[in-house]
Amino acid sequence: GAVVSQHPSWVICKSGTSVKIECRSLDFQATTMFWYRQFPKQSLMLMATSNEGSKATYEQGVEKDKFLINHASLTLSTLTVTSAHPEDSSFYICSASSLQGYTDTQYFGPGTRLTVL
Amino acid sequence: AQTVTQSQPEMSVQEAETVTLSCTYDTSESNYYLFWYKQPPSRQMILVIRQEAYKQQNATENRFSVNFQKAAKSFSLKISDSQLGDTAMYFCAFVDAGNNRKLIWGLGTSLAVNP
Repeated sequence: GAVVSQHPSWVICKSGTSVKIECRSLDFQATTMFWYRQFPKQSLMLMATSNEGSKATYEQGVEKDKFLINHASLTLSTLTVTSAHPEDSSFYICSASSLQGYTDTQYFGPGTRLTVL
Repeated sequence: AQTVTQSQPEMSVQEAETVTLSCTYDTSESNYYLFWYKQPPSRQMILVIRQEAYKQQNATENRFSVNFQKAAKSFSLKISDSQLGDTAMYFCAFVDAGNNRKLIWGLGTSLAVNP
């Protein structure tokens, strides 16, 4: 149980284009979803927290207009990197916490590797 | 500020042996949760074990167990009968029950299990 999927697993795009990453909770309803960025050999950096039907809460220093987050349902959240630039290249990971059971526990997707040329 | 410290950047262990990874944390809260996550080379973050601060009993999951010392704010992970598949980065994390469920992460310990 508690499976989270992410799509795509990797994407290469040209500078200036937008990329959308989907995060789905497959076997549970997620009250809250989180988006992280991870640099090589480092810990996870929280970008934003989203609750279904509400605007996302962004961490300090994260550009809201660049990283658009939509939490459309209890099983789907999307992250859109707008006007991507090479410095946005990174590993993006989503997580979700369940509506029931261990509501404090985050379950992670497999991540998306974004490369901007 | 709430912090999580993992003082061992890298560790290694022989297959079938036991290894302990250290984690300390700092918080003024009384109600919180602690986690160990594993990130193998695939980079999929996997929950290893979870501990509720109000429970004195140490959590166990098969070969994985924790030594939770609340007064000392210590939360170490013991891996018994280490297997090659245990090779991974291990992250200790903390969440304050009332803090919008945001995880506070340690910097991780890279564990290599050698044949």
